Amino acid sequence: GDSVTQMEGPVTLSEEAFLTINCTYTATGYPSLFWYVQYPGEGLQLLLKATKADDKGSNKGFEATYRKETTSFHLEKGSVQVSDSAVYFCALSGSNSGYALNFGKGTSLLVTP
Amino acid sequence: DTAVSQTPKYLVTQMGNDKSIKCEQNLGHDTMYWYKQDSKKFLKIMFSYNNKELIINETVPNRFSPKSPDKAHLNLHINSLELGDSAVYFCASSQKGGETQYFGPGTRLLVL
Repeated sequence: GDSVTQMEGPVTLSEEAFLTINCTYTATGYPSLFWYVQYPGEGLQLLLKATKADDKGSNKGFEATYRKETTSFHLEKGSVQVSDSAVYFCALSGSNSGYALNFGKGTSLLVTP
Repeated sequence: DTAVSQTPKYLVTQMGNDKSIKCEQNLGHDTMYWYKQDSKKFLKIMFSYNNKELIINETVPNRFSPKSPDKAHLNLHINSLELGDSAVYFCASSQKGGETQYFGPGTRLLVL
């Protein structure tokens, strides 16, 4: 079945450092790909998404490109801030799973001043 | 206005009790979901409804029963609560399958 693998944290970075969180997926068909963020004690918020190959999603300085050839959707940000500290989830949604979100295990990010 | 709301936000109860969690969305979406987040933060789909009809019913114990009285509501009833049911339960909705899902704030259930 469909699945998502993302690097496990925790990841600790200094403010203004470059961030990459790797995410790869296994799916049949053409799923949509998402990054969600969960701040401490809160629900999940959509960070960005891409619905087809070579699409780039971007929001709040974060970017990810849907790479079908490498089945990847890595999250990047050029300069992280303390306020970016959160748990980041990569997810896919496809017809195989009735369009439910299939999540990776989450990557905890801590940004220090 | 809150797009997806859940009540209660916190729920502490004894083993063996029956409890319900309510979810409402005011986005006019057709599809609603329940997800469970365990203590390691792993998220897994439990149920999905489209226009009040059950679409996804993952392998969860039949002590869990969803009910959708109308398109804007999807409630989760849990019978005979067990310690392992302790988790955060998230409701979500989307216009249709495959589109962005919007999540509620979660219900933190603790079974003692």
